[in-house]
Formats: sequence, C-alpha cells, structure tokens
Amino acid sequence: GAGVSQSPSNKVTEKGKDVELRCDPISGHTALYWYRQRLGQGLEFLIYFQGNSAPDKSGLPSDRFSAERTGESVSTLTIQRTQQEDSAVYLCASSTSGRVPDTQYFGPGTRLTVL
Amino acid sequence: AQTVTQSQPEMSVQEAETVTLSCTYDTSESDYYLFWYKQPPSRQMILVIRQEAYKQQNATENRFSVNFQKAAKSFSLKISDSQLGDAAMYFCAYRSWGGSEKLVFGKGTKLTVNP
Repeated sequence: GAGVSQSPSNKVTEKGKDVELRCDPISGHTALYWYRQRLGQGLEFLIYFQGNSAPDKSGLPSDRFSAERTGESVSTLTIQRTQQEDSAVYLCASSTSGRVPDTQYFGPGTRLTVL
Repeated sequence: AQTVTQSQPEMSVQEAETVTLSCTYDTSESDYYLFWYKQPPSRQMILVIRQEAYKQQNATENRFSVNFQKAAKSFSLKISDSQLGDAAMYFCAYRSWGGSEKLVFGKGTKLTVNP
C-alpha cells in the first residue's frame, strides 16, 4: 500500500476485555514499531520487530501487552484484561531496515478507550 | 537513558511570521540522530526534518531549519513564513546511532497559526 495502515481507527472497550490492534506496514519494510501516545504526552516506545530477529520488547509496560508479526507483514498488538490506564492512541511505524538513517513512517493510529 | 524535553507546551505565530520551537535532550552518547515530527489532528506523524549529530551544518528543508547546538544539547526548530497548514503538534525525537532503534520523544509543542 501507499502508507502504513492501522485498524480499527477507534476502539471502545470495557475494562477487563481483551483487544487486538492491527498494523499493515509499507510493503517491503522489514522493521516495524509500536508506540503508545497518552493524552497530552509524547510517544512511548512499546516493541520493535526487525525481520526474523527476536523482537525488542523492552518498552512493553506489563505482561498484559504482547505483539506478533508474521514475517515482514502484518503485526497485531494485543492487550489483555484492559485497564483504564491503557486508554491511549497506539501508533505503528515501519522503516526499510530498522537501521539508521532509516526514516520511520507512521500510521494514523488506533484510539483505544477503556471504559 | 536518553530523555527529550520540550519546554513550550504551546506556541502561537502569525501567518507569514517566523517561530522557533525549543528542544533539549540528555544523552551520554556522541553519535545519534535528532528529528522533528509534525502531528496534525489526523494523528499521523510526519517527519519534518532530521539532523545527524556528527554533522556541524544545520539541516534545512524549505521553510524549516534547525539550530543544532551539540555541546548545549539543544535542537530547536525554526519555521519561516508560517502557513495555516503548519498548525499541529510538533515533537522532537532522539535516536541512538547504534543499538536501540527506537525513537525517544518529547511531550510536544502545540503550534497555533493565526491568520
């Protein structure tokens, strides 16, 4: 596709439910990133995938958060037993190789609201 | 760990005037990259300009330029001839030269352009 796409655009869920957020990176990009943006804040790194290497999960805030990526394509971020503090915009980005000086191209994000 | 600070939560400028957004960062590394991203209401992060720390020359992209002061760990963004379409959140970001590929973001500055 022309750019990074994410779905759904908005998601409202009840506390305690599980949610899945999807990211489709730019075709040919081997690196994929997930970030979280809380209201009025900058982006926080969550997880990074590069090709077939083990993902960098150092930014995941708790074991309720997990992410998968199939090859060099779609990625899914899963939040189990959602809490109100999980409410945020979740942004995905991709780049050609993940090595500097690659530019990260961002998707429009998924706004998650936990009631 | 690296940190990025944007001390101006909000700024405003008159159309056609010039505005400067501030950014400071803290790092013990000598090689790194710095970025300014723009986030309009659509939420999609757009790369405005990037600077390699090893380059002494300040980066410029059309109406956008930076003032990179490595010793002071300062990286300000100057927008000349401001346009209504420049109104957005602006985020300063840091990326290590090697090792972690994640971006470390500041909290952002909301720029309003007045007609």
